[in-house]
Amino acid sequence: NAGVTQTPKFQVLKTGQSMTLQCAQDMNHNSMYWYRQDPGMGLRLIYYSASEGTTDKGEVPNGYNVSRLNKREFSLRLESAAPSQTSVYFCASAGQRNNEQFFGPGTRLTVL
Amino acid sequence: AQSVSQHNHHVILSEAASLELGCNYSYGGTVNLFWYVQYPGQHLQLLLKYFSGDPLVKGIKGFEAEFIKSKFSFNLRKPSVQWSDTAEYFCASRNNAGNMLTFGGGTRLMVKP
Repeated sequence: NAGVTQTPKFQVLKTGQSMTLQCAQDMNHNSMYWYRQDPGMGLRLIYYSASEGTTDKGEVPNGYNVSRLNKREFSLRLESAAPSQTSVYFCASAGQRNNEQFFGPGTRLTVL
Repeated sequence: AQSVSQHNHHVILSEAASLELGCNYSYGGTVNLFWYVQYPGQHLQLLLKYFSGDPLVKGIKGFEAEFIKSKFSFNLRKPSVQWSDTAEYFCASRNNAGNMLTFGGGTRLMVKP
């Protein structure tokens, strides 16, 4: 099992450009999550998907959209990148309601 | 809304010193609590978790945490740290009815050899 995989690992964008971060899990988990990690602020939830076909906003959804393509895949899209979106993005997945979340390796995004 | 506070942002210890990292959460109902560790350049990994039962929880790599409901605390401890424990540590909470984790700001631990 690869667990949770994310692509790309690194990305540099110019302000206004768009891009999609990809996430996939092979653990047959129902729930998937997108977080951003900024120094001193821990991880903040951007969006999550409790099950295939559903998505909900987290703490910091502005400037982002998500798609739960199928049970395995959950993508995060930045339509018009801003420097404030420079961060490390982590995807996670979880099985039953009270199970732990498993994290991917992260994507380091810089917006110039 | 829930919140999680980690009061120590940076901790520097020598090898073999004892460790205690503070974590306080705000939710007053039934809560699940977690400690995650992030080694340099790696993703988050679960150290330990508390759902119910014995308030003293033992995790991997010799870590433990104690849930004290009256203090809304879930401090992480290790009796003797090693250089390989150098990492960032995150406390997180989830209310029992919810699907989302709330993370603290993290504590960077540096262990000097």
